[in-house]
Amino acid sequence: DTAVSQTPKYLVTQMGNDKSIKCEQNLGHDTMYWYKQDSKKFLKIMFSYNNKELIINETVPNRFSPKSPDKAHLNLHINSLELGDSAVYFCASSQDRERGFSSTDTQYFGPGTRLTVL
Amino acid sequence: EDQVTQSPEALRLQEGESSSLNCSYTVSGLRGLFWYRQDPGKGPEFLFTLYSAGEEKEKERLKATLTKKESFLHITAPKPEDSATYLCAPYGGTSYGKLTFGQGTILTVHP
Repeated sequence: DTAVSQTPKYLVTQMGNDKSIKCEQNLGHDTMYWYKQDSKKFLKIMFSYNNKELIINETVPNRFSPKSPDKAHLNLHINSLELGDSAVYFCASSQDRERGFSSTDTQYFGPGTRLTVL
Repeated sequence: EDQVTQSPEALRLQEGESSSLNCSYTVSGLRGLFWYRQDPGKGPEFLFTLYSAGEEKEKERLKATLTKKESFLHITAPKPEDSATYLCAPYGGTSYGKLTFGQGTILTVHP
């Protein structure tokens, strides 16, 4: 009964390829996120979706595109992969952004996907 | 822009040796601050949320406190299983779910 799951766990690919990472949450949360953790371990938000609507879109190359088929899933598609895209990508979810700051805003993270671009 | 600095970057303790981790932040309209624990190869695991200056939260050997400019994570009589990276993330009024994470403190507890 994993709360936030991601597939695959590891992804090794060549420069120029297109790849996707899938994320699913079974917590019934309304908001989902994608974070990137670089080699220096900084976690930086990339995107956030609330009920399938994009609400956060940080300065990320447009080669990265999130897709939310329903509120339990948020997938990350990456086109024309570059060496600098190598990192660990984390998906997260939280209850409800709209209700203001409360315990329901806690973000729960998935196990991560380690992407290596050769 | 929100800024977060955690110190020290790395901390080595002997089992039973208590210490504190620091999280200094500059966030407009702070609404709260999260602490997470991250084990190698895993995602961050939620520990605490602090909402206002003066608030304290405890869980086993960990106690988190919050002031207007910083937060502390106190570890009392740590055990080797407390070894992990500890991340703090303040949350501002206009962040709309955007957490700004510090770089983390890598804690190693030796038996």
